[in-house]
Amino acid sequence: GQQVMQIPQYQHVQEGEDFTTYCNSSTTLSNIQWYKQRPGGHPVFLIQLVKSGEVKKQKRLTFQFGEAKKNSSLHITATQTTDVGTYFCAATSGGSNYKLTFGKGTLLTVNP
Amino acid sequence: EAEVAQSPRYKITEKSQAVAFWCDPISGHATLYWYRQILGQGPELLVQFQDESVVDDSQLPKDRFSAERLKGVDSTLKIQPAELGDSAMYLCASSLGYRFREEETQYFGPGTRLLVL
Repeated sequence: GQQVMQIPQYQHVQEGEDFTTYCNSSTTLSNIQWYKQRPGGHPVFLIQLVKSGEVKKQKRLTFQFGEAKKNSSLHITATQTTDVGTYFCAATSGGSNYKLTFGKGTLLTVNP
Repeated sequence: EAEVAQSPRYKITEKSQAVAFWCDPISGHATLYWYRQILGQGPELLVQFQDESVVDDSQLPKDRFSAERLKGVDSTLKIQPAELGDSAMYLCASSLGYRFREEETQYFGPGTRLLVL
C-alpha cells in the first residue's frame, strides 16, 4: 500500500529557532494534508495542498507541495512553546474512497 | 463549533473481554472513519463508512473487530475478544463526504484510550 515517510522523527529546538519537517512518497500524490496533535490530544487539521508546487502560509507556518507531487514540507518560523506537538502529513493517492495514509509524524519540543 | 463525540474516553479491560466504542460524527458528515493510533505512530485507518456502507475495511482485523453504522449517523466499533496488543488510542473522524472531493478535511474526535491488561 501507499506509504509516506516523514523526517525527522523528533526535533528539539530553542524557542525562536526555525523548524522544518519533511514528508516523502515514492508515488505521486493526489493531495497532501497536514495535521497537528498536541500531547494527549487528537489530530487537528492544519491545511491541504492540491496543486503541484503549491505554497501556502498560515502566520508563521509555511507549507509546500513538491513539483512532482511526491514530497511536502512544513516550516515554522521562530518557534514558540505553543508549537509543541506532533506534526503529521497525510496523503491520498486518488480514488473514490479518499483514503488518508498518515506518516509517523515529527514530534516537536520547544525549550523556552 | 460542531465536534465529533466519542465515548468512553478511557477504557481498561482484561484480555479476552469484549469492548465497544461509540462515535457521533459532525451532523451532516457522510463519511466516518475509525483509526487506531499506537503511541508514537500516526493514525492507521481501520474502517471507513460512506453513509451506512463500508467502503474500506482492508486493515480491520475481522476475526475480532467489527464496526457498524446502521442508520448512517453514529457508529460503534467492537473488539471481541480483546488482546494485549489492542492497547492503543481509537480515534473517530468524520468528513463531509464524496460530494466535496476537494475539501475532504477530516475532523477528529477526542479518542478512546484503551488499555488491555
